[in-house]
Amino acid sequence: SAVISQKPSRDICQRGTSLTIQCQVDSQVTMMFWYRQQPGQSLTLIATANQGSEATYESGFVIDKFPISRPNLTFSTLTVSNMSPEDSSIYLCSVLLGRTANYGYTFGSGTRLTVV
Amino acid sequence: AQSVTQLGSHVSVSEGALVLLRCNYSSSVPPYLFWYVQYPNQGLQLLLKYTTGATLVKGINGFEAEFKKSETSFHLTKPSAHMSDAAEYFCAVSDGNYQLIWGAGTKLIIKP
Repeated sequence: SAVISQKPSRDICQRGTSLTIQCQVDSQVTMMFWYRQQPGQSLTLIATANQGSEATYESGFVIDKFPISRPNLTFSTLTVSNMSPEDSSIYLCSVLLGRTANYGYTFGSGTRLTVV
Repeated sequence: AQSVTQLGSHVSVSEGALVLLRCNYSSSVPPYLFWYVQYPNQGLQLLLKYTTGATLVKGINGFEAEFKKSETSFHLTKPSAHMSDAAEYFCAVSDGNYQLIWGAGTKLIIKP
């Protein structure tokens, strides 16, 4: 299994500002993902972070709002841009050790974002 | 399209009692099924998974789940609840590609 270090663990931000969340994995992984978990709700996939190319975004999420970088096979960042209180959520980085779900996902400990 | 339904957003059991968390799925192909646990202020941890083979799957912390194709279910059980089991539990399904479809989650409350 992989170990993920996700930073920051929590932050309180002013509306209109941006926050960049980092995800560092202790081994090379093919697939990395970013999820959002709004208060009291399940996980929603934001995008798949592709190494060396643009991220693949799910319906309802756009690059201008959630730019993602994946410079190598062990690191990715998610930026939440021009934040509003509706962006208050837990943001989770996840990796898949193989190319299919049966290999199992590993999650970071999450970033608790509060926008005021 | 695949979907996952978890019955009960909150389940409350007494310490020492049986834990049963229900998960039903729909899938047009043989599914891969997962249970994840999220402790307060933490990320998600894999409890157990079914991919192929034995339909009764044992996981960590004494949990197990049984894949019942005829009932399209993958319920999570534990014979005796501990206070440390208090957490949110998520069922998820995959059709074999990399994406997971998540249930809404069930918050397990343990009464002393």
